[in-house]
Amino acid sequence: KQEVTQIPAALSVPEGENLVLNCSFTDSAIYNLQWFRQDPGKGLTSLLLIQSSQREQTSGRLNASLDKSSGRSTLYIAASQPGDSATYLCAPNPNAGGTSYGKLTFGQGTILTVHP
Amino acid sequence: DVKVTQSSRYLVKRTGEKVFLECVQDMDHENMFWYRQDPGLGLRLIYFSYDVKMKEKGDIPEGYSVSREKKERFSLILESASTNQTSMYLCASSLSTGATHEQYFGPGTRLTVT
Repeated sequence: KQEVTQIPAALSVPEGENLVLNCSFTDSAIYNLQWFRQDPGKGLTSLLLIQSSQREQTSGRLNASLDKSSGRSTLYIAASQPGDSATYLCAPNPNAGGTSYGKLTFGQGTILTVHP
Repeated sequence: DVKVTQSSRYLVKRTGEKVFLECVQDMDHENMFWYRQDPGLGLRLIYFSYDVKMKEKGDIPEGYSVSREKKERFSLILESASTNQTSMYLCASSLSTGATHEQYFGPGTRLTVT
C-alpha cells in the first residue's frame, strides 16, 4: 500500500525566501504525481502534475521535480509571498492499470506561512 | 476551466438522518471521487466511480453509499448519519481516456452531525 510522507509538517518563512517542500512515497510504480494547494476550509487546487517520465515541471514561481526511482518529489517556491500561505499536498497516482488510475494517496501536507 | 460544484458548503444534520451530498462536474469526466478530510488523518478515499452506474470502494466505505445515474453527477449517501461522520467532504473528477488523470476538486462540504 502506498504511503506518502511530507516534510516539513509546517514551515514559517519571511516574505521573499525561496523554499523547498519535500514529498516521499514508498511505491515507485506511479503514473504521475500531483501537487495541490489548500486554503483553510476550502477545496484543493491543482498546482502541478508531473508525469513519471518527466524530471521537472514548472508553473510561474513553482517548480516540481520527480525522482521516481527513489520515491521523491520536491516543490520549489521561488520568492515566496504572503499569498502563498496555505497547506501544500502531494499525491502520487498509481500505475496499476484499469480502474486504479486516479486513486490518489495523499500526504498529510505541509502548512506554509509566509509573513510580511 | 474545469468546474466541480458541491451542493452545500455547510450542512448540519442530526444523528440517524439520511444525508445526501451532491457533486456535479461540467467537463464530461469519466472518473469521480468522494473523499473525507479529517485533522491528523488527511484525505481518505470513500468511493470512486469510473463510469455511469459503476462504483468502486475506496479505503473507508463503511457507513456510506454512492449513486451515479448521470455522467456529470455523483452522490454520496449517509444512510444513517452518525457523529463520527462529522467531517469535510470533498468531491473530485478526472478524465480517464488518453489523459493525465489530473484530478479537479470541488469546494468541499463541511458536514456536522449532532
